[in-house]
Amino acid sequence: AAGVIQSPRHLIKEKRETATLKCYPIPRHDTVYWYQQGPGQDPQFLISFYEKMQSDKGSIPDRFSAQQFSDYHSELNMSSLELGDSALYFCASSLGRQGIEQYFGPGTRLTVT
Amino acid sequence: GQNIDQPTEMTATEGAIVQINCTYQTSGFNGLFWYQQHAGEAPTFLSYNVLDGLEEKGRFSSFLSRSKGYSYLLLKELQMKDSASYLCAVRGPSGYNKLIFGAGTRLAVHP
Repeated sequence: AAGVIQSPRHLIKEKRETATLKCYPIPRHDTVYWYQQGPGQDPQFLISFYEKMQSDKGSIPDRFSAQQFSDYHSELNMSSLELGDSALYFCASSLGRQGIEQYFGPGTRLTVT
Repeated sequence: GQNIDQPTEMTATEGAIVQINCTYQTSGFNGLFWYQQHAGEAPTFLSYNVLDGLEEKGRFSSFLSRSKGYSYLLLKELQMKDSASYLCAVRGPSGYNKLIFGAGTRLAVHP
């Protein structure tokens, strides 16, 4: 069965650079969530989209922005990168606003040097 | 405020049973989830409880008591591959399904 696809899987950037992470949800899933997981930390919710509209917002820095496109894929744009942004970024998708199970993608490991 | 507590680490023996506890205090409750996560990999869904009681799914069972803000994950017939982190997560109070994760319990299964 198709799963959530994230690209790239690994990304190395320098401080103050920008990065774009992409997420392709499971086909027919209309809700996308972004989570950030620092080393040894639990995943922290950043932002979510339902039907291309932002549905909830968590601890996403102002330097980050995200959107969901008409094909339901989502992109997380990160600017003015800081060392502390180094983390695993997971995207998850679900079916409908009240979909019980969130299916997580393999994650993008971002390293800021 | 929101607070989810679970033990940091646990160890168990192959073939045994282990119970991982989770207590939560959140401003709203819309379901409790357990996820398994191997190092560097994505969390994978194990179970979901929204009503009090026990949900059984193969070797894994999960229990919920809403009045006590308490859940546990029970793993039976432990296998070496069960060595992983187990994350307790509460569905956010504002709806729209965002998950609030606990810090996770790192389980080590020994022969």
